[in-house]
Amino acid sequence: DVKVTQSSRYLVKRTGEKVFLECVQDMDHENMFWYRQDPGLGLRLIYFSYDVKMKEKGDIPEGYSVSREKKERFSLILESASTNQTSMYLCASSIARSLAKNIQYFGAGTRLSVL
Amino acid sequence: QKEVEQDPGPLSVPEGAIVSLNCTYSNSAFQYFMWYRQYSRKGPELLMYTYSSGNKEDGRFTAQVDKSSKYISLFIRDSQPSDSATYLCAMSATRGGSNYKLTFGKGTLLTVNP
Repeated sequence: DVKVTQSSRYLVKRTGEKVFLECVQDMDHENMFWYRQDPGLGLRLIYFSYDVKMKEKGDIPEGYSVSREKKERFSLILESASTNQTSMYLCASSIARSLAKNIQYFGAGTRLSVL
Repeated sequence: QKEVEQDPGPLSVPEGAIVSLNCTYSNSAFQYFMWYRQYSRKGPELLMYTYSSGNKEDGRFTAQVDKSSKYISLFIRDSQPSDSATYLCAMSATRGGSNYKLTFGKGTLLTVNP
């Protein structure tokens, strides 16, 4: 079974703090993704990576950055957390960029509250 | 027009009912269609996927794709309380540079009452 592990289920941070969300996958997938999920807005793609050290912006990258130093690990960074970044954050991975059947496998999510 | 439209519900049915969940889409390049199930406070998990048009059955679940109408459906037979979750449709295109990307519906919240 594919396993995507997010390091924290719940996080509470203060405005202005630097926040790191970590994600690890164990299936040698090329692609990794970060989404946020908010009521009424659905899943929105923040950033994705199709290879080590490669990244591309998704639909809502403002206020976020990412790091992928190893194939299995993809980190989401909130440089200076703000209250409007309170959300459920979901990491996902999929096999390869070249495949159209690009099934994404999700982690359990991190519920972040910024006070 | 949004690329993918999905009725958010909520949908509440009695145990044993047949449930129909639907999405419409506007991008004719979509070729792969998926349904994810998401329990409360958990990540989405893949339920079914289909390629192009047609039907696919897996136990109590049937996925249908009608590309001519740009309409996909998920049917749940003999629904159980354990089916209570949010169901998300997702799609991907085979043309262009974005074939890694999934486009999601916003999800339909389903409750199956015992």
